[in-house]
Amino acid sequence: AQTVTQSQPEMSVQEAETVTLSCTYDTSESNYYLFWYKQPPSRQMILVIRQEAYKQQNATENRFSVNFQKAAKSFSLKISDSQLGDTAMYFCAFMKNQGGKLIFGQGTELSVKP
Amino acid sequence: NAGVTQTPKFQVLKTGQSMTLQCAQDMNHNSMYWYRQDPGMGLRLIYYSASEGTTDKGEVPNGYNVSRLNKREFSLRLESAAPSQTSVYFCASRLGQHNQPQHFGDGTRLSIL
Repeated sequence: AQTVTQSQPEMSVQEAETVTLSCTYDTSESNYYLFWYKQPPSRQMILVIRQEAYKQQNATENRFSVNFQKAAKSFSLKISDSQLGDTAMYFCAFMKNQGGKLIFGQGTELSVKP
Repeated sequence: NAGVTQTPKFQVLKTGQSMTLQCAQDMNHNSMYWYRQDPGMGLRLIYYSASEGTTDKGEVPNGYNVSRLNKREFSLRLESAAPSQTSVYFCASRLGQHNQPQHFGDGTRLSIL
């Protein structure tokens, strides 16, 4: 069975600085997808970024980028130029190539301080 | 576009009462999912429907039933609510193709006394 682990329950960062959130996963699959979702206090689940395991190039979306290390089964999220609106719970999630079911980590609560 | 709509947004039940949570999507997605979110834990899959007419158990199905009414709607039913089912429930949908992500509703906060 697949598992996803986020070892940082809470993190904080100063506005405009860079922060990295960690995520590791365990799977025997070779093809799969990884996601980062953001959950602000409004409780919405918002897709931040996604990565296909067969792609070696790390995904980027504006200020958000990932460091995907397939051999190490690591998938960290880097937020550059942090903004107050980035304050949220961040979830790492794994999806097998088929089926579409997501397996979530426990989440990291990020606070961006002015 | 409304996306994924969940009703109600909040509900308080007494132990033993029954309740159906409604979910509808207007994105013509094939797959739909129900998750629960408990404090300190990520979302856990209760049931899912890969396509209209099919449903399957997820990680935590006990105490729940689902109905895929049509392509748009996927309901979750608690037949006899228990305090352990106090949680925030999320419905999600997905087109169903390879790397397509899930799109989530805004959640239902359910408290069982």
